[in-house]
Amino acid sequence: DAGVIQSPRHEVTEMGQEVTLRCKPISGHNSLFWYRQTMMRGLELLIYFNNNVPIDDSGMPEDRFSAKMPNASFSTLKIQPSEPRDSAVYFCASSLADRGSPLHFGNGTRLTVT
Amino acid sequence: AQSVSQHNHHVILSEAASLELGCNYSYGGTVNLFWYVQYPGQHLQLLLKYFSGDPLVKGIKGFEAEFIKSKFSFNLRKPSVQWSDTAEYFCAVRISSASKIIFGSGTRLSIRP
Repeated sequence: DAGVIQSPRHEVTEMGQEVTLRCKPISGHNSLFWYRQTMMRGLELLIYFNNNVPIDDSGMPEDRFSAKMPNASFSTLKIQPSEPRDSAVYFCASSLADRGSPLHFGNGTRLTVT
Repeated sequence: AQSVSQHNHHVILSEAASLELGCNYSYGGTVNLFWYVQYPGQHLQLLLKYFSGDPLVKGIKGFEAEFIKSKFSFNLRKPSVQWSDTAEYFCAVRISSASKIIFGSGTRLSIRP
């Protein structure tokens, strides 16, 4: 199993630009989560999907952030326009929709907005 | 609202010392509990989980955790730490199949060689 695949691994962009982060969950997993990790705020849940449907997006910081899951094997997190305070490591994780099922994390995307 | 508390933000130990990291959650119903580890520069990996049954669960690399329902706690332990255990440790809780997994703020563990 290839695990959760995220791309790109690193992204450096200028303030105001659009950023798109991508995630491919583990095949067969029907829950997908986007987290953001910073030194100041730790690990924050941004949004999660069950069966491609967004269930809880209360962690999305503001309207500049949007996430989609057009099918079971792909999700995107978009920031438009990006700001320096968005700099963080963004993790995608997937699991079975079973409360005993652990999350499997991708390697993350390190985003730097200058 | 459900929450997970890890009161130790940074723990420093010498090699071979015993480790206990605290984790408390706030929810009165059935829970599943997890401990994850994040080595420097890497993603989170599952250490162990509690689903049901024996409240003492054993995980990888010699770690174990005990679920004490009356105390709403799920503390992580290791009898003798190694330098390679230097990492950040996260406790997490999940309360139903459709719910999000809530993480604690993490505990950074530093091991002196």
